[in-house]
Amino acid sequence: QKEVEQDPGPLSVPEGAIVSLNCTYSNSAFQYFMWYRQYSRKGPELLMYTYSSGNKEDGRFTAQVDKSSKYISLFIRDSQPSDSATYLCAMKVGGGSYIPTFGRGTSLIVHP
Amino acid sequence: NAGVTQTPKFRVLKTGQSMTLLCAQDMNHEYMYWYRQDPGMGLRLIHYSVGEGTTAKGEVPDGYNVSRLKKQNFLLGLESAAPSQTSVYFCASSYRLAGGSLNEQYFGPGTRLTVT
Repeated sequence: QKEVEQDPGPLSVPEGAIVSLNCTYSNSAFQYFMWYRQYSRKGPELLMYTYSSGNKEDGRFTAQVDKSSKYISLFIRDSQPSDSATYLCAMKVGGGSYIPTFGRGTSLIVHP
Repeated sequence: NAGVTQTPKFRVLKTGQSMTLLCAQDMNHEYMYWYRQDPGMGLRLIHYSVGEGTTAKGEVPDGYNVSRLKKQNFLLGLESAAPSQTSVYFCASSYRLAGGSLNEQYFGPGTRLTVT
């Protein structure tokens, strides 16, 4: 079993839907949680960065961390076709650790 | 400010050939990484560097070598390419914040390598 599990999808939703993307993990020492967005044939780019438990909101995106359940989520409100991409979760043990552990990514398709 | 750049963008090799992938960053970042990304496998770390002149093995280092002779460059070498090394290769960089924690990784656009 990988340390970080992420359903590869694809997840297909209509424009305007609320999207929920999730990752589970097994290492309780993870403290820093990230979501990257990767468009087709491009490199990943950071979308959200959170520390410990709780919610963080940025525009239409909300990152949620539940450390007690070892579960993180990314919510996208009012999804747009331009949100179609692969979303990778990543997490680190400490702020100073060099190497994040990535999930395999979930492919999201938002159709008009 | 170009960020992280990778050369070449595409390459086709025959089994047994060698090549070097170049990663360059103009952000003065200390830390640099090489990943490979395969369908269904996500990003897997090959090698990384915490500073000029230093390198370390990641999750899947076999068949690859790296060098970090200059802070801004991180080279990934394949001495004898194999079909199993067909993949998309991403370079990334990051830096340490004033409080000691590392910020997020900045990724390059990738190199698509096919080994026949």
